[in-house]
Amino acid sequence: EAGVVQSPRYKIIEKKQPVAFWCNPISGHNTLYWYRQNLGQGPELLIRYENEEAVDDSQLPKDRFSAERLKGVDSTLKIQPAELGDSAVYLCASSLDRGRFTGELFFGEGSRLTVL
Amino acid sequence: QQQVKQSPQSLIVQKGGISIINCAYENTAFDYFPWYQQFPGKGPALLIAIRPDVSEKKEGRFTISFNKSAKQFSLHIMDSQPGDSATYFCAASKDSSYKLIFGSGTRLLVRP
Repeated sequence: EAGVVQSPRYKIIEKKQPVAFWCNPISGHNTLYWYRQNLGQGPELLIRYENEEAVDDSQLPKDRFSAERLKGVDSTLKIQPAELGDSAVYLCASSLDRGRFTGELFFGEGSRLTVL
Repeated sequence: QQQVKQSPQSLIVQKGGISIINCAYENTAFDYFPWYQQFPGKGPALLIAIRPDVSEKKEGRFTISFNKSAKQFSLHIMDSQPGDSATYFCAASKDSSYKLIFGSGTRLLVRP
């Protein structure tokens, strides 16, 4: 079974440029997460989707970040414009939750963003 | 506000030794406590998890000890192996939130 697939793996951009990350979750997983992991830190939740609905985006900086999950499958996270402080690894994760939080998130390998 | 505090930041253990990583949490509403393992260039992967109705859970060489009154839990890795060298994250969540709050991580190195 394929795991969570993310692209690109690495991205280097100048500040103020836009960037987008793509995620394909494990087939059948209804919950999709975007986390940000700063160097030497644990992941922090940006947004959670239940199917195609964003049910928790309280920690998403909405002035520059946006996300979508089309047809409840793939998801895209966009930053526009990027700032120096956005340099981090952006992790996508998915889980199969049937009415109760299982707590088992399956993470992709992440997209490492460097903003110059 | 850091809700899950993890220590130590780094740990070096000889092969065959016991690795111990500790976490403390603040929110008494947390009811799920997993440990994730992350290798360089990879995403975190669930290692073992516990809910507060038990004080200990063991899976192979990995054991979680949970102290509800002290609001602390720890990961013990018995007979540590070089292949266990990775970064370990504790986490906590409330079922209703579906949100994992991660600790800052412990970088474990197991020397041959």
